[in-house]
Amino acid sequence: AQKITQTQPGMFVQEKEAVTLDCTYDTSDQSYGLFWYKQPSSGEMIFLIYQGSYDEQNATEGRYSLNFQKARKSANLVISASQLGDSAMYFCAMRERQGGKLIFGQGTELSVKP
Amino acid sequence: SQTIHQWPATLVQPVGSPLSLECTVEGTSNPNLYWYRQAAGRGLQLLFYSIGIDQISSEVPQNLSASRPQDRQFILSSKKLLLSDSGFYLCAWILAGAVTSTDTQYFGPGTRLTVL
Repeated sequence: AQKITQTQPGMFVQEKEAVTLDCTYDTSDQSYGLFWYKQPSSGEMIFLIYQGSYDEQNATEGRYSLNFQKARKSANLVISASQLGDSAMYFCAMRERQGGKLIFGQGTELSVKP
Repeated sequence: SQTIHQWPATLVQPVGSPLSLECTVEGTSNPNLYWYRQAAGRGLQLLFYSIGIDQISSEVPQNLSASRPQDRQFILSSKKLLLSDSGFYLCAWILAGAVTSTDTQYFGPGTRLTVL
């Protein structure tokens, strides 16, 4: 069965520093997609970045980048130059082939300190 | 542009009462639709997904049910709520043809349900 594991329940980072949020996954599929979402206290789920299993380059979106290590089945999110507004829950997710369903990890709560 | 609506935004219900949460999508047709539940401090759990009208798959056996009476309407229901039904309910959609693409699921604003 497919599974997403986020081992960091909470993380602290100083403003303007970079932070890495860990995500490992388990799947027997050769083709899959990996997503990161941000969930602020309001509850909305905000899409941040996507990595396809066949993508050779690590995905980047502004201050977000994804450190994709396929052999290790890890897809860590790197946030550069942290801002106070980055404080939120962050979820890693994997898309299943059937029905486009997303499987989510348990999330990491990031707190950015001024 | 596409938008997704959920209502109500918050709901407090007694144990044993019925439930009806509604989700509608505008600006697209034939979307895949999803209901997720998030318990406090936890990740999202997929409850139901639908690839078309009256085509609904259940992921977790429970006292909840889902219906899709129209192409862009997805309803989550219960005849008798349990305390364990409390949580944050999120509806999401994606274009049916995009399930294997880079397109993400788009989430609604959610309904916060408290069962007392």
